[in-house]
Amino acid sequence: KAGVTQTPRYLIKTRGQQVTLSCSPISGHRSVSWYQQTPGQGLQFLFEYFSETQRNKGNFPGRFSGRQFSNSRSEMNVSTLELGDSALYLCASSLDRRGETQYFGPGTRLLVL
Amino acid sequence: AQTVTQSQPEMSVQEAETVTLSCTYDTSESDYYLFWYKQPPSRQMILVIRQEAYKQQNATENRFSVNFQKAAKSFSLKISDSQLGDAAMYFCASMDSNYQLIWGAGTKLIIKP
Repeated sequence: KAGVTQTPRYLIKTRGQQVTLSCSPISGHRSVSWYQQTPGQGLQFLFEYFSETQRNKGNFPGRFSGRQFSNSRSEMNVSTLELGDSALYLCASSLDRRGETQYFGPGTRLLVL
Repeated sequence: AQTVTQSQPEMSVQEAETVTLSCTYDTSESDYYLFWYKQPPSRQMILVIRQEAYKQQNATENRFSVNFQKAAKSFSLKISDSQLGDAAMYFCASMDSNYQLIWGAGTKLIIKP
């Protein structure tokens, strides 16, 4: 089975711009979670989607949003980018939510200038 | 809220020796799951081992095993016969009732040849 894929792998944006990141889960996985990884804050949960519905959201401002499509692919969007949004954004998929292992993609490295 | 603590920012071990990485967690829930993930320089997050809290038996995956002490809320990872390819950041994580992963700060493992 193909693993979780994320596009693009690298991205450079300037403050005030917006960005959309994409994640394709492992075939058959319906739950997709997003995490932000920074040197200062470590790994933090952004949100989780299951069957096209956002089931859970972390403590991030409304500038961070996401969605999931009927084929379970997910996108996350960050509007009005700030320097502090520079991070590695990781997507993970799992079969369902309860205790299942989350399998991660390679991440998208976002640099905001 | 759940918390996960990794008190060792960095550990080093001689190749072929055994090393133990520490992790403690805090939760008020009775049903939860614990994970160790490895993140090599490629930044791909890879599952090492998973433990279901209701199972008393410690999980094992080849050279990797855990010492799960539920009463003490401790979940340490033992790596036997350390190999150069084991060099990575190791993250301990718990899955809460909202099924999001709560992460520790990570331990950098250095393997000395």
